[in-house]
Amino acid sequence: DIVMTQGALPNPVPSGESASITCQSSKSLLYSDGKTYLNWYLQRPGQSPQLLIYWMSTRASGVSDRFSGSGSGTDFTLKISRVEAEDVGVYYCQQFLEFPLTFGSGTKLEIK
Amino acid sequence: EVQILETGGGLVKPGGSLRLSCATSGFNFNDYFMNWVRQAPGKGLEWVAQIRNKNYNYATYYAESLEGRVTISRDDSKSSVYLQVSSLRAEDTAIYYCTRGITTFDYWGQGVMVTVSS
Repeated sequence: DIVMTQGALPNPVPSGESASITCQSSKSLLYSDGKTYLNWYLQRPGQSPQLLIYWMSTRASGVSDRFSGSGSGTDFTLKISRVEAEDVGVYYCQQFLEFPLTFGSGTKLEIK
Repeated sequence: EVQILETGGGLVKPGGSLRLSCATSGFNFNDYFMNWVRQAPGKGLEWVAQIRNKNYNYATYYAESLEGRVTISRDDSKSSVYLQVSSLRAEDTAIYYCTRGITTFDYWGQGVMVTVSS
């Protein structure tokens, strides 16, 4: 199974500052079609998860441009610029390369 | 507007069975793969199962932790997907989410709670 390992944030993050969340996969998520099958989700308190970033760096429809994804085949970063109160929640990375589909353990963002 | 609504959760005794339903609307259901993802109380997300569409012969895939106890199915005429879980254990207690997705989980339902307890 592909293991997804997420880093922690130095919470709380001051409002207006940037925050970067790291995620590492145990296997390269770069597929032969040139896409990297790494997705990012945000689960706000009491809500269902929502898709933020797919294929490592493509923002989902309606997602603020304050969110950006980058990385290589195994090391990934979700950057949140100018954090706001609505960004509070748990962020998950997830691989869609092969079964079983796996998630990172989640990274909690708190705002000061 | 894409809508996903799960039903069928509740309190079940250990060893019991449950069938979860997921009704969808707002998109061409036939074009998409569907998944179930669960979340135990206070824990992270765990993918449970996927069913592909007719173009992929309705292929199914399961998490190893549930294989043999879970069956995913779909009814394209009703734009619905189902999850049958048997031999339920306390560790199956979770919110079960129905999600749409081929290479992402791009839309999620609100989830349905399943509690396994005597």
